[in-house]
Amino acid sequence: DTGVSQNPRHKITKRGQNVTFRCDPISEHNRLYWYRQTLGQGPEFLTYFQNEAQLEKSRLLSDRFSAERPKGSFSTLEIQRTEQGDSAMYLCASSHSVGSYEQYFGPGTRLTVT
Amino acid sequence: AQSVTQPDIHITVSEGASLELRCNYSYGATPYLFWYVQSPGQGLQLLLKYFSGDTLVQGIKGFEAEFKRSQSSFNLRKPSVHWSDAAEYFCAVATNRDDKIIFGKGTRLHILP
Repeated sequence: DTGVSQNPRHKITKRGQNVTFRCDPISEHNRLYWYRQTLGQGPEFLTYFQNEAQLEKSRLLSDRFSAERPKGSFSTLEIQRTEQGDSAMYLCASSHSVGSYEQYFGPGTRLTVT
Repeated sequence: AQSVTQPDIHITVSEGASLELRCNYSYGATPYLFWYVQSPGQGLQLLLKYFSGDTLVQGIKGFEAEFKRSQSSFNLRKPSVHWSDAAEYFCAVATNRDDKIIFGKGTRLHILP
């Protein structure tokens, strides 16, 4: 078990460009969560999946954001037409919907929009 | 909607001293409560959680927390801190054990040698 992995770890992009992040959860985990953390704040919930179904989306997830988990395994988070306000750490977590329920977090992808 | 307040942005304690980090939550029903730690360059790690039962919960790294419903609090304690405890600590709440987690803004812990 290698834990939750996220790629890339860092991304610098220019305003207006599209970016995509990938999250690979712990293999037997059927729930996958995306959070965003800005400097000096706690993580804020964005969306989550159970298997391939997206069950909830935060109001923070504007129409420029889209997340997918096509086969119920890895997930991608895409941001279109990035803005400077999108600069943040994007965290992925996974859990199993039975058992300990603990959410295991990945190391995050730090996005800087210039 | 549920929310979490961590009133202390920074806390400084001497190595070997006791620690208490404060957390208050807002939620009408029985909450699911968590404490996470985040070290520089590291991911969030769960220290402990309260779902039900005994209101004093033990976690990893010698931490414990006490759920007090009457005060809507879930304070984190450690009897003797080590320099390696320097990190950011987040209190969090969920409405269900496998639901999204609502985090506080965090308390940064500094340790004096």
